[in-house]
Amino acid sequence: NAGVTQTPKFRILKIGQSMTLQCTQDMNHNYMYWYRQDPGMGLKLIYYSVGAGITDKGEVPNGYNVSRSTTEDFPLRLELAAPSQTSVYFCASSQSWGVAGVFNEQFFGPGTRLTVL
Amino acid sequence: ILNVEQSPQSLHVQEGDSTNFTCSFPSSNFYALHWYRWETAKSPEALFVMTLNGDEKKKGRISATLNTKEGYSYLYIKGSQPEDSATYLCASGGSQGNLIFGKGTKLSVKP
Repeated sequence: NAGVTQTPKFRILKIGQSMTLQCTQDMNHNYMYWYRQDPGMGLKLIYYSVGAGITDKGEVPNGYNVSRSTTEDFPLRLELAAPSQTSVYFCASSQSWGVAGVFNEQFFGPGTRLTVL
Repeated sequence: ILNVEQSPQSLHVQEGDSTNFTCSFPSSNFYALHWYRWETAKSPEALFVMTLNGDEKKKGRISATLNTKEGYSYLYIKGSQPEDSATYLCASGGSQGNLIFGKGTKLSVKP
């Protein structure tokens, strides 16, 4: 299994541009997550999904959109990039039950480093 | 919003030293406590998921304890090795249904 894969690894955007960060997992996990990690800060949850067709906001959803049309894929969309969105983005997945994702370990992708200038 | 605190922020030890760090979390609406190990330039990897008060888990030289009534968890590393150098993250999950991560403890082990 490849686990959780993310593309691209690095990207530089200009203010106002849009892009989609891709995330795919091959473990047939029902839960998927998007986090951002800023220097000196912990991981902050942007959006999560408990299954195909279902998504929900996390702590910091503003400026982002997600969709989950398949079990495997959970893309994150930035519509109008802003310097405040400069960060490292991690996608994660877990095979969980009950309260969303808290009872089973999460598996993380390698991250996407995004810079908005 | 849960607030998860970790201390110390960073720690420098010599090879062979044993060490421990703390994770504090709100004890109300507690569901689970996660520990992750995060090496530089890699992704976080799960160490433990604990749910019950008094839980103790062990993986090799690393162990963790959980006190849900007072809202803290300890991570212990016995006989630290240079390869233990990493940031150790804890995260608490509550009834709102997602994990809240602390900022991590960065451990450096000198040979």
